Amino acid sequence: GQNIDQPTEMTATEGAIVQINCTYQTSGFNGLFWYQQHAGEAPTFLSYNVLDGLEEKGRFSSFLSRSKGYSYLLLKELQMKDSASYLCAVRDEDYQLIWGAGTKLIIKP
Amino acid sequence: GAVVSQHPSRVICKSGTSVKIECRSLDFQATTMFWYRQFPKKSLMLMATSNEGSKATYEQGVEKDKFLINHASLTLSTLTVTSAHPEDSSFYICSAKGLAGDYEQYFGPGTRLTVT
Repeated sequence: GQNIDQPTEMTATEGAIVQINCTYQTSGFNGLFWYQQHAGEAPTFLSYNVLDGLEEKGRFSSFLSRSKGYSYLLLKELQMKDSASYLCAVRDEDYQLIWGAGTKLIIKP
Repeated sequence: GAVVSQHPSRVICKSGTSVKIECRSLDFQATTMFWYRQFPKKSLMLMATSNEGSKATYEQGVEKDKFLINHASLTLSTLTVTSAHPEDSSFYICSAKGLAGDYEQYFGPGTRLTVT
């Protein structure tokens, strides 16, 4: 079956760095997405990786290793507004998005 | 960036009634629209995929006669929850995809449905 695993919840301190991991087992691979979702709101796009390596976008970076079925989202200089759920999603061989359950990130002052 | 709107943002209806949710792409043509459902503290669950002018493709376990999807134009898709029950109460989110090769889905703000 298809599976996306990510931690349920993480806690970090304002100003620090946090890494949210995602591992996947899917039928085929056509890209991995990270989305941010604040409570009661729809997800917003953060990043897209289809080749191995690191994609940097401001305070956020996303890494992909296709051979390991692994990705991480790195958030630097954490701000209180970064408190949200972070969803990892993989597009499979049929170009369907398979979603992880999300990681709730709690930022403490 | 591309903007997708949903209407209404919140709706309360009585059991047995039907409710329609609209999803519009405001500044681009959406060849494909997706309808998701999300329970509290859970991830998104894809309900169906619709392409403009053709019938929606429903995911396994989603009743097509209960969740009617119409994608009549390149900027509008509607989801109608028919004969609503309290267990249909949920957060419904649409997303839209534009041109072929555009990998990003643009999400609407979601609709909170409460069935009493």
